[in-house]
Amino acid sequence: DTEVTQTPKHLVMGMTNKKSLKCEQHMGHRAMYWYKQKAKKPPELMFVYSYEKLSINESVPSRFSPECPNSSLLNLHLHALQPEDSALYLCASSQGATPHEQYFGPGTRLTVT
Amino acid sequence: LAKTTQPISMDSYEGQEVNITCSHNNIATNDYITWYQQFPSQGPRFIIQGYKTKVTNEVASLFIPADRKSSTLSLPRVSLSDTAVYYCLFRSNDYKLSFGAGTTVTVRA
Repeated sequence: DTEVTQTPKHLVMGMTNKKSLKCEQHMGHRAMYWYKQKAKKPPELMFVYSYEKLSINESVPSRFSPECPNSSLLNLHLHALQPEDSALYLCASSQGATPHEQYFGPGTRLTVT
Repeated sequence: LAKTTQPISMDSYEGQEVNITCSHNNIATNDYITWYQQFPSQGPRFIIQGYKTKVTNEVASLFIPADRKSSTLSLPRVSLSDTAVYYCLFRSNDYKLSFGAGTTVTVRA
């Protein structure tokens, strides 16, 4: 199984809502990532978890809160988002937390109204 | 901050070879360079990785000069299905993991 799954595929939320994005992989990878991608731009790294511990936070606003409940799951909790946070949120995993081969999920298309 | 340069776009015809160069003059000493392909509304897909010299797999080749300040992805005999955005990904010497700006490759019949 070389698949990274993400739910939901699409999400529309108001600025006062709380929602969560979910990501799952069963490849035994020990590093998991969240990226944000705006239209016609490259993905931007947000967080990296290595062995279930947060190892990189790229100065992401606190309205984004990551969580890694176990080695297969990665969540991104969203609260009080702004319209400019609308984007495609991508999850990825890899054997180690390096630029080595990363497997990406299909992403969650988030719209903040 | 990591600085990369990739051509914004490239046009090609079926059966031709396409070469895309990414410059990364502040790459970290010990890390690999990886390349990804992305179709609209999908996550990026790994193509190839390398550290130096030349690496080849079943879909592409990657050329990295000795100074490692750039890398060139070579797609042999492209087809219409190779129309996509191609990104390099690397870690800079301040340990920031960054994608290049991306190159949109359009293959025409």
